[in-house]
Amino acid sequence: DAKTTQPTSMDCAEGRAANLPCNHSTISGNEYVYWYRQIHSQGPQYIIHGLKNNETNEMASLIITEDRKSSTLILPHATLRDTAVYYCIVRVRSGGSNYKLTFGKGTLLTVNP
Amino acid sequence: GAVVSQHPSRVICKSGTSVKIECRSLDFQATTMFWYRQFPKQSLMLMATSNEGSKATYEQGVEKDKFLINHASLTLSTLTVTSAHPEDSSFYICSARDLLISGTGHGNTIYFGEGSWLTVV
Repeated sequence: DAKTTQPTSMDCAEGRAANLPCNHSTISGNEYVYWYRQIHSQGPQYIIHGLKNNETNEMASLIITEDRKSSTLILPHATLRDTAVYYCIVRVRSGGSNYKLTFGKGTLLTVNP
Repeated sequence: GAVVSQHPSRVICKSGTSVKIECRSLDFQATTMFWYRQFPKQSLMLMATSNEGSKATYEQGVEKDKFLINHASLTLSTLTVTSAHPEDSSFYICSARDLLISGTGHGNTIYFGEGSWLTVV
């Protein structure tokens, strides 16, 4: 019940922008889209999240389509250290004011020199 | 971002013994913490949601008597694997929800610890 679909893997050249797509066609109006990444043998690292507007921070940009059924994470200048599994997650309400993050399989991004 | 710390990072225990893993939010208070398990080459699987001062909520298929969770304060949650077996060997990861409103104005951000490798021999 991850509610998201991502490509299994992607490659990107070092220094170029990495655009990681995510489909979440069943997203509800008040559900946020979160992006995390996991470098091998480490805990997931928070990247960015958004509801309906595009968001940008020091790590990445998040572009959410107007119908909110898909989004794209953009790493503007990928480096070798950005090689990781990237997870697109729809935050699901788990009861009351509680939320939980359910991980899918993510996209393995490999940045090549 | 906020820091979540786990201890120990690696532990080896004998079959039949119990092992405790600690999860601390270092610079924020977290009424809710989450425990995940990850097997090699697989995604993270949510085990339970831990709420400060109350019983944890376990996901379907997770044995609450085997995986004891205690969330005694706003900065500490513990996971105890009881009567450990080799098949419990895994990467255990905790996360904590920062109550402060994020820059987007609405969402609460969930931060993850570094993970704890458990090997049961």
